Amino acid sequence: LAKTTQPISMDSYEGQEVNITCSHNNIATNDYITWYQQFPSQGPRFIIQGYKTKVTNEVASLFIPADRKSSTLSLPRVSLSDTAVYYCLVGGDTNAGKSTFGDGTTLTVKP
Amino acid sequence: DVKVTQSSRYLVKRTGEKVFLECVQDMDHENMFWYRQDPGLGLRLIYFSYDVKMKEKGDIPEGYSVSREKKERFSLILESASTNQTSMYLCASSLLPGQAYEQYFGPGTRLTVT
Repeated sequence: LAKTTQPISMDSYEGQEVNITCSHNNIATNDYITWYQQFPSQGPRFIIQGYKTKVTNEVASLFIPADRKSSTLSLPRVSLSDTAVYYCLVGGDTNAGKSTFGDGTTLTVKP
Repeated sequence: DVKVTQSSRYLVKRTGEKVFLECVQDMDHENMFWYRQDPGLGLRLIYFSYDVKMKEKGDIPEGYSVSREKKERFSLILESASTNQTSMYLCASSLLPGQAYEQYFGPGTRLTVT
């Protein structure tokens, strides 16, 4: 079971790039890494997913080193509306119950 | 767009009551999940189902049961509600068989047990 560790909280200012790192030392060969965003009183929302190297979409980039024991979510030029909790999820191989959400990182973007 | 709906946004029940939380998804997804979310504890998986009538325990199944009679509907049952089950309950679904990533979440049900 791939347990994940993330910083509890991070602060940033509008317009800055934010990098949130997730550690997952026990990641299995077939596991993917997925990041979710959650606003208060809402369910989490899928942001990005990757297996290795780098993945980029219109919202974020995901960097995964060769050993895959960690991953970094990068949010370019954050705005106040990016204030949310960000979760790292590892797993999803042949048994969905082996996937575990981390405790989440509360990102606060200040003006 | 995938839509996952939950029967109630807010629910207040008394200790000992049997509680049903309903979840419906409209995209023919194979997998469905029930989580609870508590301050400081993140999301914890209660049960998941990868097919109709199939279910598997997650991390914290004690005090809960589930039912999946139809593909689109996944119910969470609290057999005898207790105050320590006061929490936010989140339902999710995902498309790929056996895969948990790219889960689509409902808005959540905030349950208070008094």
